[in-house]
Amino acid sequence: QVQLVESGGGVVQPGGSLRVSCAASGFTFSNYAMHWVRQAPGKGLEWVTVTSYNGHEKYYADSVKGRFTVSRDNSQSTVYLQMHSLRAEDTGVYYCAKALGGSGNHLWSPLSWGQGTLLIVSS
Amino acid sequence: QSALTQPASVSGSPGQSITISCTGTTSDIGSYNLVSWYQQHPGKAPKLIIYEVTEWPSGISSRFSGFKSGNTASLTIFGLQAEDEADYYCCSYAGNTLVFGGGTKVTVL
Repeated sequence: QVQLVESGGGVVQPGGSLRVSCAASGFTFSNYAMHWVRQAPGKGLEWVTVTSYNGHEKYYADSVKGRFTVSRDNSQSTVYLQMHSLRAEDTGVYYCAKALGGSGNHLWSPLSWGQGTLLIVSS
Repeated sequence: QSALTQPASVSGSPGQSITISCTGTTSDIGSYNLVSWYQQHPGKAPKLIIYEVTEWPSGISSRFSGFKSGNTASLTIFGLQAEDEADYYCCSYAGNTLVFGGGTKVTVL
């Protein structure tokens, strides 16, 4: 069965950097797009970014564009989110999610989600 | 990109049906049939229950039904059950981005 395990969260000072990871198993990772979605404490969901199955297409929310970078290593079945210039408003649980498909319309439907990793940006 | 608009809360008794609305714009819901719905229980990850407006992922009950008209999408839960008590989020493609609604808390009375 699909398993997604996020790691790398922690406490970072404003302006700092952090990379979170998502290790996937139970499916052919290289066939599927992968999303990152975050949720601030007690708040709703906010989409962050998506990478297509081969990493050639990457899209970002305006709130993170230029500060966050998504990448994937299909040989390791892992997707990463590199975050720079972190702000207090970046605080939250970061979920990775497997899309319905690798590209096209199915790229845009996050299907299976991990349990998330918590990032706190605070001095 | 502004969030989609959902009611903060909806409630119903067991066995009843409830509908959650999700209002967007011509830049998102109104232009694409890529609306999805997620259920989230407290402390848990979201779960996809409807995609592409009306489709069910494998294993999802047909008690959940999606619909779209113009700039508004809706989720109906038929035969409300205690386990349906959760937060529900709509989500729409909006031109190389996704936008979520603010979430609706469903209470089973």
